[in-house]
Amino acid sequence: AQTVTQSQPEMSVQEAETVTLSCTYDTSESDYYLFWYKQPPSRQMILVIRQEAYKQQNATENRFSVNFQKAAKSFSLKISDSQLGDAAMYFCAYRSDQKGGNQFYFGTGTSLTVIP
Amino acid sequence: EAGVTQFPSHSVIEKGQTVTLRCDPISGHDNLYWYRRVMGKEIKFLLHFVKESKQDESGMPNNRFLAERTGGTYSTLKVQPAELEDSGVYFCASSQDLNTGELFFGEGSRLTVL
Repeated sequence: AQTVTQSQPEMSVQEAETVTLSCTYDTSESDYYLFWYKQPPSRQMILVIRQEAYKQQNATENRFSVNFQKAAKSFSLKISDSQLGDAAMYFCAYRSDQKGGNQFYFGTGTSLTVIP
Repeated sequence: EAGVTQFPSHSVIEKGQTVTLRCDPISGHDNLYWYRRVMGKEIKFLLHFVKESKQDESGMPNNRFLAERTGGTYSTLKVQPAELEDSGVYFCASSQDLNTGELFFGEGSRLTVL
């Protein structure tokens, strides 16, 4: 089974600074999707960014970008110009692209604190 | 457009009692997932509905858990009888197009079994 590992239970960043959240995964598949989801306190989890494994180019969404290293099975999230609203629990997730691969596998999450 | 709603937001029950959690997905979303997060651990898959059919229920822990999605709209997850290890946050998520990878989550139902 696929596993997703987030080795940083907690991280903090100064407002306007940059922070990187790490994620590694284990899979024998070649085609899959990777995601970062964010859950603000007492709010729904929302999608931050997604990456298709077949794409070499790293995905970016405004201040959010990823560093996707397929060979190393690493998928880190970089948040630039951190804002107070970025404070949340961040979950890395994996989904197979194979037929029937409808399960999303999540990591244990990283709690991000933004310091004013 | 209404998002995914879950009820109750928090439930506290005694071991051996029954609890039913409800999820209303976004209207028109055929795919509905149940996930569970035990404190400090990963969010684990429970099962996946496509409309009213169970597409994958490989994550259901045991036969004390029963999920239904009558008519392909809302879903319920019943735990009977509840055990201490069932405590956690139960998330529901829906999606229309799995290719986008975007799951729309509810706020979760926190279950505490005493």
